[in-house]
Amino acid sequence: DSGVTQTPKHLITATGQRVTLRCSPRSGDLSVYWYQQSLDQGLQFLIQYYNGEERAKGNILERFSAQQFPDLHSELNLSSLELGDSALYFCASAKGTSGGAGTGELFFGEGSRLTVL
Amino acid sequence: TQLLEQSPQFLSIQEGENLTVYCNSSSVFSSLQWYRQEPGEGPVLLVTVVTGGEVKKLKRLTFQFGDARKDSSLHITAAQPGDTGLYLCAGRVGAQKLVFGQGTRLTINP
Repeated sequence: DSGVTQTPKHLITATGQRVTLRCSPRSGDLSVYWYQQSLDQGLQFLIQYYNGEERAKGNILERFSAQQFPDLHSELNLSSLELGDSALYFCASAKGTSGGAGTGELFFGEGSRLTVL
Repeated sequence: TQLLEQSPQFLSIQEGENLTVYCNSSSVFSSLQWYRQEPGEGPVLLVTVVTGGEVKKLKRLTFQFGDARKDSSLHITAAQPGDTGLYLCAGRVGAQKLVFGQGTRLTINP
């Protein structure tokens, strides 16, 4: 058990719909990362937050958005869903630093499997 | 375009054999990590390497960071069925971003 909780574990929805994925980081971790994992793309970095502020952005589509709340949990919102958005979405947390390079370990949740029909 | 290229993408060998997995990039990383992922679970950290040329050993696993900090390798000696899984390298870019390779799916047959 990594200490990172993701909900829901599985989600099936239709094209054009909107879903919200939720992540609770490990106690004490300030950084939250979101990744998308599909069979042919590997683990793609989407976005990272530190203590409520966006810190780094990857290949996140404009239809996707995220935020980290004062209690440090994070949500990833996916809208106007397309078939190609079907994937495993992972949240990871780390102690993080305000700006230093860091070598810290990322602790991953078990992922949310999204299926768009 | 993948920032980190792993090879091979798939590897199936017999128990007891040795193997090496490679992680290559044209970019320089401040640090590089190797993770292992099993079905239905998130990746779990195996090792972090920071210094160019650094070698770290974890039982039968040996990790090396290239001198120029652009590449890394994972060598497994006398592979066992329990080593089966998806091995991912990840390089830290800038202050925060951690980018992953596409992974090497390893199967060790008894």
